Amino acid sequence: GAGVSQSPSNKVTEKGKDVELRCDPISGHTALYWYRQSLGQGLEFLIYFQGNSAPDKSGLPSDRFSAERTGGSVSTLTIQRTQQEDSAVYLCASSLASTGKSYEQYFGPGTRLTVT
Amino acid sequence: AQTVTQSQPEMSVQEAETVTLSCTYDTSESDYYLFWYKQPPSRQMILVIRQEAYKQQNATENRFSVNFQKAAKSFSLKISDSQLGDAAMYFCAYSGGADGLTFGKGTHLIIQP
Repeated sequence: GAGVSQSPSNKVTEKGKDVELRCDPISGHTALYWYRQSLGQGLEFLIYFQGNSAPDKSGLPSDRFSAERTGGSVSTLTIQRTQQEDSAVYLCASSLASTGKSYEQYFGPGTRLTVT
Repeated sequence: AQTVTQSQPEMSVQEAETVTLSCTYDTSESDYYLFWYKQPPSRQMILVIRQEAYKQQNATENRFSVNFQKAAKSFSLKISDSQLGDAAMYFCAYSGGADGLTFGKGTHLIIQP
């Protein structure tokens, strides 16, 4: 079956613009995760959804970042008023459930965001 | 908070040889899972192997095996008969609850033909 897909693959935006990054999880996966991968910070966990609910948003780097998930499927990560430090690869992953720590997370190919 | 440390930024091995990648972690939990993920230049993170903390037996997946030392909080990955396709970044990751993975900084593995 299809894996996790993310769009766009690459995004170049000007500082101050808003961007939306999309993630399509594997069908039937109830849990969805967002991570950020940058040279300076490595891989950082940002937020996860169980269904449409995000129990903890404290991992989001600033209030310019928001995420939503609708219909228990597609998720969108929005970054408002982008800054150069937001440049990174944004990875999405999904798993069967988040209540079991053993569930494997399947990753998408990521979106490379470049803020100029 | 949990932390994961990979002390080898880069490792190099000859094709067909064996290489071991190191990982240590810190946690106060007793029940958790550990993972090794591979990330080739395509950026796609691929699960290599996982270990349940309550299991004493070390996990193995074909040429990949781990040495899990719970008391020492150590979780190394051994790759036997290294192949050119094994070249990638390898990340050690910790999962302790219903949230995201905590990753190490990664080890860049180079395979010399």
